[in-house]
Amino acid sequence: GENVEQHPSTLSVQEGDSAVIKCTYSDSASNYFPWYKQELGKGPQLIIDIRSNVGEKKDQRIAVTLNKTAKHFSLHITETQPEDSAVYFCAESWGKLQFGAGTQVVVTP
Amino acid sequence: DAGVTQSPTHLIKTRGQHVTLRCSPISGHKSVSWYQQVLGQGPQFIFQYYEKEERGRGNFPDRFSARQFPNYSSELNVNALLLGDSALYLCASSLGGLPGYTFGSGTRLTVV
Repeated sequence: GENVEQHPSTLSVQEGDSAVIKCTYSDSASNYFPWYKQELGKGPQLIIDIRSNVGEKKDQRIAVTLNKTAKHFSLHITETQPEDSAVYFCAESWGKLQFGAGTQVVVTP
Repeated sequence: DAGVTQSPTHLIKTRGQHVTLRCSPISGHKSVSWYQQVLGQGPQFIFQYYEKEERGRGNFPDRFSARQFPNYSSELNVNALLLGDSALYLCASSLGGLPGYTFGSGTRLTVV
């Protein structure tokens, strides 16, 4: 079964609002936590990642936070735009990638 | 620079047949991983190869096999296809020593 739980499964936001996706993991050995965006008909695209020795990382409108003690990490998208609409996957890795089930994000104008 | 390239992009096979999927990693990347993504789910790990050696295997039956060639390209083979093998098969490459996986666009396999 999946070692990564991802919530919510769907998320609808108005353009300009923020979107937050949360993931929990179970393997204490995990040390790398990437987030992928997948558009229809394409492979997953890495949008941001964080290592276990860092608590937060930001890249323009995207930020990721990691709480190793609680074993959860989150993706924050601010000032959402229609082109942010896609399926987002969190993953954890200690060698291979274990993915969450995905969050369908819909940004309405 | 070319990203990860996979071929073919789409494939239709009949139950019981065999299929070979191909992947060329980003130039300089020595590690290739294969994932199966069933519609509506996250990708599931199948294999990882580094420097032509298998470094990891997911929970898939022996009908699934793979190999990596001296030029670091890779093939995924699936024998005795079942309807449940219908999925998007993704290849990802990385430098090997560091995390950071780049995915190809995948091969959409339909088994009828």
